[in-house]
Amino acid sequence: GIQVEQSPPDLILQEGANSTLRCNFSDSVNNLQWFHQNPWGQLINLFYIPSGTKQNGRLSATTVATERYSLLYISSSQTTDSGVYFCAVGEGGGADGLTFGKGTHLIIQP
Amino acid sequence: NAGVMQNPRHLVRRRGQEARLRCSPMKGHSHVYWYRQLPEEGLKFMVYLQKENIIDESGMPKERFSAEFPKEGPSILRIQQVVRGDSAAYFCASSNQPGEGYTFGSGTRLTVV
Repeated sequence: GIQVEQSPPDLILQEGANSTLRCNFSDSVNNLQWFHQNPWGQLINLFYIPSGTKQNGRLSATTVATERYSLLYISSSQTTDSGVYFCAVGEGGGADGLTFGKGTHLIIQP
Repeated sequence: NAGVMQNPRHLVRRRGQEARLRCSPMKGHSHVYWYRQLPEEGLKFMVYLQKENIIDESGMPKERFSAEFPKEGPSILRIQQVVRGDSAAYFCASSNQPGEGYTFGSGTRLTVV
């Protein structure tokens, strides 16, 4: 099956810093989503982005499908951005589940 | 819009008992997905359902686990004769179109004692 690798595995930043999280995948995909799991365990969908670039406030994401990677940018970090960021991909046009990476554990210190 | 509702939030079962986890998708969503998250691990796909149909159950263990999404009512993930290794967080997600942006529920934390 498809492999998903996220980097870095852990990241500690001061409030106000910017960060870039990376997701590499081993095969062509037609579904890619980024999620944030907060310290209480809730999973929040950040982006559905199988290709191209999207922005939502301080967050943006870019997927270069031909080169099999996606990037999540977080600007002006806040303590509420802490948690685990997961990249998840799918190959089957929706008729299958997503394969999740192991996540990037982000800690934003005040 | 209440979002994806999962219940119970926490469930404790003794080894050998049955666990039933419920998921009501977002209003208007007809695609439901179940995932399992073990401690310190990412999420693993279990099953994808539409109303009255199992579309993909490739991630479901072959024994003791079953899922349904009836015409009326919530989707149910059923685990028979639970073992300690079943202890995990079980998340349900729904989407409007197959495979597109998921909305996750808050999960059910199953503890088998």
